[in-house]
Amino acid sequence: GQQLNQSPQSMFIQEGEDVSMNCTSSSIFNTWLWYKQDPGEGPVLLIALYKAGELTSNGRLTAQFGITRKDSFLNISASIPSDVGIYFCAGLTAGAQKLVFGQGTRLTINP
Amino acid sequence: GAGVSQSPSNKVTEKGKDVELRCDPISGHTALYWYRQSLGQGLEFLIYFQGNSAPDKSGLPSDRFSAERTGGSVSTLTIQRTQQEDSAVYLCASGGRVGQPQHFGDGTRLSIL
Repeated sequence: GQQLNQSPQSMFIQEGEDVSMNCTSSSIFNTWLWYKQDPGEGPVLLIALYKAGELTSNGRLTAQFGITRKDSFLNISASIPSDVGIYFCAGLTAGAQKLVFGQGTRLTINP
Repeated sequence: GAGVSQSPSNKVTEKGKDVELRCDPISGHTALYWYRQSLGQGLEFLIYFQGNSAPDKSGLPSDRFSAERTGGSVSTLTIQRTQQEDSAVYLCASGGRVGQPQHFGDGTRLSIL
């Protein structure tokens, strides 16, 4: 089945650093979503992207829908302790009704 | 509340027992999804309901797993004769029209002793 390759699997950074993670696929997607999951909670939607080339920001978060429609990245600027968690990308192909999820990026921040 | 609600939040049961997990989606959302998440892992799709259409059961791992959605709203995921490998967090999500983002509940943490 379709798969999203999300990298890196984990990141250990210092507070204040910028973070970048990405997802790639061999399939073309029409929608890219980025979620964050805190311990003991469900994933929360951060950013939704619907057009190739689209660049969208949400506070310190910026995500882009790759021009090839096969990738997306998420950047976090000036990381803070509450950014700790697992970040998931998810995509939807044309005509499909189920999201495909990446395996997640676990972000750890050293104060 | 306005979000997806799941109950119970935690369930501990003995191997071999049946369990029922409940999901109340966001009002008006026609799509409902169940996922399973093992410790530290990604999301494993289980089943998908969209309106009155037949559900997509392609992700159910065995015939011990079943789900229903009554009246196009509340859904129940049932696991019969539970096994230890069923221990995981079971997440429910709902969505509006196809292509719109899914919104998740906080899950039910299931532990099989």
